Amino acid sequence: DSGVTQTPKHLITATGQRVTLRCSPRSGDLSVYWYQQSLDQGLQFLIQYYNGEERAKGNILERFSAQQFPDLHSELNLSSLELGDSALYFCASSVAGPYGEKLFFGSGTQLSVL
Amino acid sequence: AQKVTQAQTEISVVEKEDVTLDCVYETRDTTYYLFWYKQPPSGELVFLIRRNSFDEQNEISGRYSWNFQKSTSSFNFTITASQVVDSAVYFCALYIIQGAQKLVFGQGTRLTINP
Repeated sequence: DSGVTQTPKHLITATGQRVTLRCSPRSGDLSVYWYQQSLDQGLQFLIQYYNGEERAKGNILERFSAQQFPDLHSELNLSSLELGDSALYFCASSVAGPYGEKLFFGSGTQLSVL
Repeated sequence: AQKVTQAQTEISVVEKEDVTLDCVYETRDTTYYLFWYKQPPSGELVFLIRRNSFDEQNEISGRYSWNFQKSTSSFNFTITASQVVDSAVYFCALYIIQGAQKLVFGQGTRLTINP
């Protein structure tokens, strides 16, 4: 158990809908990362937050947004969903972003868009 | 550009064989970190090792060993006397410190250990 909690584990929805994925980092970790894993793209970095502020942005679509709250949990919002958004979404946390600290990954949220 | 290449998409061996997973990375940074993660069939990502760019010592942990060579930009992973439980997808990753700090993953190598 990595100590990172992601909910829900599975999510099935329809095209055009909006969903929210939730992540609780390990106790004491200030950095939260979101990754998307799909068969064709592999593991893609989406976005990183550090202590409530956006720190780095990757291949995140404009239809997607994220935030980190004062209690350090994070949410990833996916809107206007398309079939191609079906993927496994991972959240990871670490103590500090800039120094190569190892990332602890949650078990992921499997999103299926039908 | 920062990039990680795992040329072996799939490897299949018989139990007890040794197997090496290759990883080649590209970065212009002088300070960086390299990682290996394991993704078993259950889906979670499990941390295996972290190595910083200044430490070229090889490391051994039980049946696992890692060979880091800056001269060839490689960070290869060897499993000795493989076991069925080693079956998983293995990812090599590069942590970039300058600019957008993030972990860049290779495409992964699916390792199957047959009994």
